Amino acid sequence: DGGITQSPKYLFRKEGQNVTLSCEQNLNHDAMYWYRQDPGQGLRLIYYSQIVNDFQKGDIAEGYSVSREKKESFPLTVTSAQKNPTAFYLCASSIGPHSYEQYFGPGTRLTVT
Amino acid sequence: GENVEQHPSTLSVQEGDSAVIKCTYSDSASNYFPWYKQELGKGPQLIIDIRSNVGEKKDQRIAVTLNKTAKHFSLHITETQPEDSAVYFCAASGPSGGSYIPTFGRGTSLIVHP
Repeated sequence: DGGITQSPKYLFRKEGQNVTLSCEQNLNHDAMYWYRQDPGQGLRLIYYSQIVNDFQKGDIAEGYSVSREKKESFPLTVTSAQKNPTAFYLCASSIGPHSYEQYFGPGTRLTVT
Repeated sequence: GENVEQHPSTLSVQEGDSAVIKCTYSDSASNYFPWYKQELGKGPQLIIDIRSNVGEKKDQRIAVTLNKTAKHFSLHITETQPEDSAVYFCAASGPSGGSYIPTFGRGTSLIVHP
């Protein structure tokens, strides 16, 4: 059963704590992406990785960090420096950096109080 | 960079009616235009896409049209059903700087009343 998994579905943290969101894919895709979604907004790109051990900042990278040590995994850390971390976070992948189609995971809803 | 505008933000129709969602884009280099459907609490799912060498594409009750000259594209859903209720996103992408990452519209919340 191939696809993208994100865990957990719901995550609650206290302000000032770092939190890491998981994203795993078994599609053998080279490229992976993290988006943030807020009510009434489109999907905004946080970070993306076109190949293992390489990643680039997206439009709203401040307060976030990522790693890409394995092809299958692209975890996102929301740091205490992110001023408004409460949001719905979506991970996506594509076959390669020059592939148009993106496939999305089910998302993680992060609430920080 | 690319800018995608999507209208309307909310669309309410009766079951069986047609629904049309429109998007415009700014970058003439964009050549791929996907549409995603997002149900509540889930990730977006690709439902149909169109490339710039095609003017129209259909898949059962859904169709997408593209006007490259005017830089706009539309999603058409016919014979709407309650299960079509969701948020729909358009996007535009192309080989900008070697990256094919899409720029998304803000989404349209479609409500189909039984």
